[in-house]
Amino acid sequence: NAGVTQTPKFQVLKTGQSMTLQCAQDMNHEYMSWYRQDPGMGLRLIHYSVGAGITDQGEVPNGYNVSRSTTEDFPLRLLSAAPSQTSVYFCASSTLLAKNIQYFGAGTRLSVL
Amino acid sequence: KNQVEQSPQSLIILEGKNCTLQCNYTVSPFSNLRWYKQDTGRGPVSLTIMTFSENTKSNGRYTATLDADTKQSSLHITASQLSDSASYICVVSADSNYQLIWGAGTKLIIKP
Repeated sequence: NAGVTQTPKFQVLKTGQSMTLQCAQDMNHEYMSWYRQDPGMGLRLIHYSVGAGITDQGEVPNGYNVSRSTTEDFPLRLLSAAPSQTSVYFCASSTLLAKNIQYFGAGTRLSVL
Repeated sequence: KNQVEQSPQSLIILEGKNCTLQCNYTVSPFSNLRWYKQDTGRGPVSLTIMTFSENTKSNGRYTATLDADTKQSSLHITASQLSDSASYICVVSADSNYQLIWGAGTKLIIKP
């Protein structure tokens, strides 16, 4: 039972570099989302998708792009990394009818120098 | 503004002791409230969900309460174990647009 798989687990970038965080789920969930988690703060929604071909912005979308070409995959792209994007990133998925029951990946710890 | 506040920020107790974590929210219209457990280096995992009509719900040694009038929830852990060391996050779902409002969490440390 893989659930939600995120890669990589750790990444260090230099300011201005770009990269893609990968997320895949094998539960046939329609809803997928990306969060960032910073010390002392609640999870903040970056982008979400309600199905293949449909994405929308969350609370903190600036500096990030997403796409949803398949039900399984929901990659997050950092266009030009900034130190403010140093954080732990979580991908989550759920059914559309039960979006408050989210299944999370193990997270990607990103440092931007 | 929809907000979820948790207290305390952190808590250290001895193994075998009980503890209670608090969650206050200002979310309207309220749909439900869920508690998650997040182990260090892992994603959050759902513990229990409380809907408007429920006052108390238990899941093993975890008991969640909800007072919809005062907009407060608590998570009580009985006979704590070392494996209970984690962050506990309260999440409230707003009924209007399925928005999820996340608390910052309480970091619980159980010492032997």
